[in-house]
Amino acid sequence: RKEVEQDPGPFNVPEGATVAFNCTYSNSASQSFFWYRQDCRKEPKLLMSVYSSGNEDGRFTAQLNRASQYISLLIRDSKLSDSATYLCVVNPRGGYQKVTFGIGTKLQVIP
Amino acid sequence: NAGVTQTPKFRILKIGQSMTLQCTQDMNHNYMYWYRQDPGMGLKLIYYSVGAGITDKGEVPNGYNVSRSTTEDFPLRLELAAPSQTSVYFCASSFPTSGSSYNEQFFGPGTRLTVL
Repeated sequence: RKEVEQDPGPFNVPEGATVAFNCTYSNSASQSFFWYRQDCRKEPKLLMSVYSSGNEDGRFTAQLNRASQYISLLIRDSKLSDSATYLCVVNPRGGYQKVTFGIGTKLQVIP
Repeated sequence: NAGVTQTPKFRILKIGQSMTLQCTQDMNHNYMYWYRQDPGMGLKLIYYSVGAGITDKGEVPNGYNVSRSTTEDFPLRLELAAPSQTSVYFCASSFPTSGSSYNEQFFGPGTRLTVL
């Protein structure tokens, strides 16, 4: 089983729709979780951290389910500008700033 | 602040050639990283450094070398380029804080390398 698994998509959704992505991780001792966004042919940028209690940033909500070992990202009221690849990032070992990146889930928001 | 800069943006190499990918950050970050990203694959860590003079291997170090003589610069050297090294290379940096196992990594714009 891969350390971090994501559905590569693409997810094609109309503007205004709500879309959710999941990401599963294999190491139950993983400590930190993040979502990065990567635009086409650009570098990844941090979108949001994922906290145990769940967290929200505007239209974006991130949640962690430790029992089932997955994190999720919910995007409400999708905008054209949300079209990108969303990378799940897990810090499996803690410390030393080393993380594992998922392959990413591609989102295409359609007018 | 320019953040993390990388040169060159694109490069085509012939098999067996060597080159150095440059990476510079102006944020005074201690930690720096080199990743490669292949289609359909997540970013893979090649090498990382926790400070000037200190480097360590990541997940896929074979065929690469690094050095860290200053806080700002972290060049990646490819010796004897092979087609398997065709990829997009990203440099990143972060500033670790006490009590945190991870802090945001800031990425450079990447270098697209093709080995023919």
